[in-house]
Amino acid sequence: QQQVKQSPQSLIVQKGGISIINCAYENTAFDYFPWYQQFPGKGPALLIAIRPDVSEKKEGRFTISFNKSAKQFSLHIMDSQPGDSATYFCAASWDTNAGKSTFGDGTTLTVKP
Amino acid sequence: DTEVTQTPKHLVMGMTNKKSLKCEQHMGHRAMYWYKQKAKKPPELMFVYSYEKLSINESVPSRFSPECPNSSLLNLHLHALQPEDSALYLCASSQDRGAGGELFFGEGSRLTVL
Repeated sequence: QQQVKQSPQSLIVQKGGISIINCAYENTAFDYFPWYQQFPGKGPALLIAIRPDVSEKKEGRFTISFNKSAKQFSLHIMDSQPGDSATYFCAASWDTNAGKSTFGDGTTLTVKP
Repeated sequence: DTEVTQTPKHLVMGMTNKKSLKCEQHMGHRAMYWYKQKAKKPPELMFVYSYEKLSINESVPSRFSPECPNSSLLNLHLHALQPEDSALYLCASSQDRGAGGELFFGEGSRLTVL
């Protein structure tokens, strides 16, 4: 049973547009929600993360919105650039003492110039 | 540049070979991880080491054998692998196991089993 569902699977956005990727989870024990960015041939890199006591977190052009009651969180990339073209994974930690993270299936973002 | 270094970047091995993947971090992190990633899929957790002790083994076949010689090094010994084991093997670290959500990944070792 997939614990974190991510959508869409792929996304094409024009340069300067807003990219939005959504994730939904079931396990209310999750208490840490990071987003990772992965370029081809590279390992994932932590992009931004949020805890459920905060509804929004912004770092530069990247914003996480978190809806605890709906058990959903999303990544917004403002003013999307071709260099943002990558695969994005949402994740959730269901036990901060276990060292485990569960990942969404990923979204391949293409930003067209 | 990533602060988690993995070697080799690419490895091709036959099903009867024995090889090892190596990972090193110098961030003072006390938890280290091995993940397996297939093309267009998310990383799958294999092993977790916390303070140099194996704390999680996600039912990984015994042909994969992890080793943590010290707090900075993590190895993955490979023996009698199958072609379906071909994948990107990612090492990651975190400050400690309790910060398992904030992972620092290496660039991975691309493994091909013939």
